Amino acid sequence: GAGVSQSPSNKVTEKGKDVELRCDPISGHTALYWYRQSLGQGLEFLIYFQGNSAPDKSGLPSDRFSAERTGGSVSTLTIQRTQQEDSAVYLCASSDPLRGRGTDTQYFGPGTRLTVL
Amino acid sequence: LAKTTQPISMDSYEGQEVNITCSHNNIATNDYITWYQQFPSQGPRFIIQGYKTKVTNEVASLFIPADRKSSTLSLPRVSLSDTAVYYCLVGGNAGNMLTFGGGTRLMVKP
Repeated sequence: GAGVSQSPSNKVTEKGKDVELRCDPISGHTALYWYRQSLGQGLEFLIYFQGNSAPDKSGLPSDRFSAERTGGSVSTLTIQRTQQEDSAVYLCASSDPLRGRGTDTQYFGPGTRLTVL
Repeated sequence: LAKTTQPISMDSYEGQEVNITCSHNNIATNDYITWYQQFPSQGPRFIIQGYKTKVTNEVASLFIPADRKSSTLSLPRVSLSDTAVYYCLVGGNAGNMLTFGGGTRLMVKP
């Protein structure tokens, strides 16, 4: 019954440090998405996982960004050598696309607010 | 991937009906139209989804003309709590709904 959860809710780090952001999707959801949202802006797609298929990494802005999804459930987004422009809210969403056509509704977590000093 | 165009912002008053139109000229045959609502400091929340004609739920109505090149989200009798950003997305299969765009910032005034 629980929704998508993310941790930490807030993360302050120094430039150059690595950070890990965690997403726990809704149980049974096979699809998982990561987005980035800068202040006052729309959502920027980062990466998409679907079941055991290779992830769609087309939105990752640089090779400092990576993500993995273990056991088809929990996902971790890692940002290496953080820069100030990485400061944003990182949102995770999950969905159950195998339920049928047109039902790929994404359920979002509360996000992690990352601040790079 | 179908691109969507929405007004950047809209103002309304409590009790009024608000209609937000989204253009999606290159919508594909299998694409559905989905609207999300986002409050400050929260992730987007699903409002409504449709394929053609009209869909209504307890929150909103979605009007889709025959050519499906646009859609209109209708919020009846808005309240202050409807102040949010509204996003229109077009897609359907897993992984297709990846572009949220800038959304429409709705401000409801007393």
